[in-house]
Amino acid sequence: DSGVTQTPKHLITATGQRVTLRCSPRSGDLSVYWYQQSLDQGLQFLIQYYNGEERAKGNILERFSAQQFPDLHSELNLSSLELGDSALYFCASSPGGPNTEAFFGQGTRLTVV
Amino acid sequence: DAKTTQPNSMESNEEEPVHLPCNHSTISGTDYIHWYRQLPSQGPEYVIHGLTSNVNNRMASLAIAEDRKSSTLILHRATLRDAAVYYCILLGGAGGTSYGKLTFGQGTILTVHP
Repeated sequence: DSGVTQTPKHLITATGQRVTLRCSPRSGDLSVYWYQQSLDQGLQFLIQYYNGEERAKGNILERFSAQQFPDLHSELNLSSLELGDSALYFCASSPGGPNTEAFFGQGTRLTVV
Repeated sequence: DAKTTQPNSMESNEEEPVHLPCNHSTISGTDYIHWYRQLPSQGPEYVIHGLTSNVNNRMASLAIAEDRKSSTLILHRATLRDAAVYYCILLGGAGGTSYGKLTFGQGTILTVHP
C-alpha cells in the first residue's frame, strides 16, 4: 500500500460526458502528479501541483483540468469525453523537490463508451 | 527537458545480476537521477535516486558515472518479481527545464527467465 488513494477504481461513462477523478496523497506530501496511461502509449505526464499551486504542466488537453485543494487532495476533471480518453489515470504524491521519491496510487480505469 | 535514453528491452536469468543502463548526456547540475519501475497491471514504483554519488538501498544500487552523463541501475539478484518496465528519469530543481516534471520515457522492459 503506497498510501496514495485514488477513487473511483473503475469508471464507465459515455462520450461527451464529464467525470472527476480524485486523489488523496500520502499524509504530509505536498506535491501531487497526474498521469494518463493508454494501451498504446506510455505514461503521459499531465500536471503537477505543489501545495495548492500548479508547478508543472505536461501534455494535458484543454478539456482536462485539475486542482489541488487546501487539504491537499487533488481532482482531475475530464470533460467532453472521447473514446480515446479511455485509459488508466494515475496519481502520485511526494513531499516535493527533486530529492524526494514519489508514491503512486493504483489508478482509476476510465472507459468511455 | 533533459532526456534519457534506455535500451528497449533486456533479459536476465533468475538469481543473476542485472545492469540496466541509462544515458543522459544533457543532464544539468541540479538534475537528480531517478529510477522507477512498473510491474504489470500496477502503478509505477520508486526504486532509487541519486545526484552524484553511487547509492544503495534494499531494492537496488545506482551507479552514476563521474561526468553524470550516464547511470546504471543494478539489481543484484534478479527474481521473477523484478520483471517490469524500468524507467530512468531526470528530476530537476527550481529554475531547471525539468523542474517538477517527473516525466516517464519508454523505459526498458526487463524479462527474467526462471
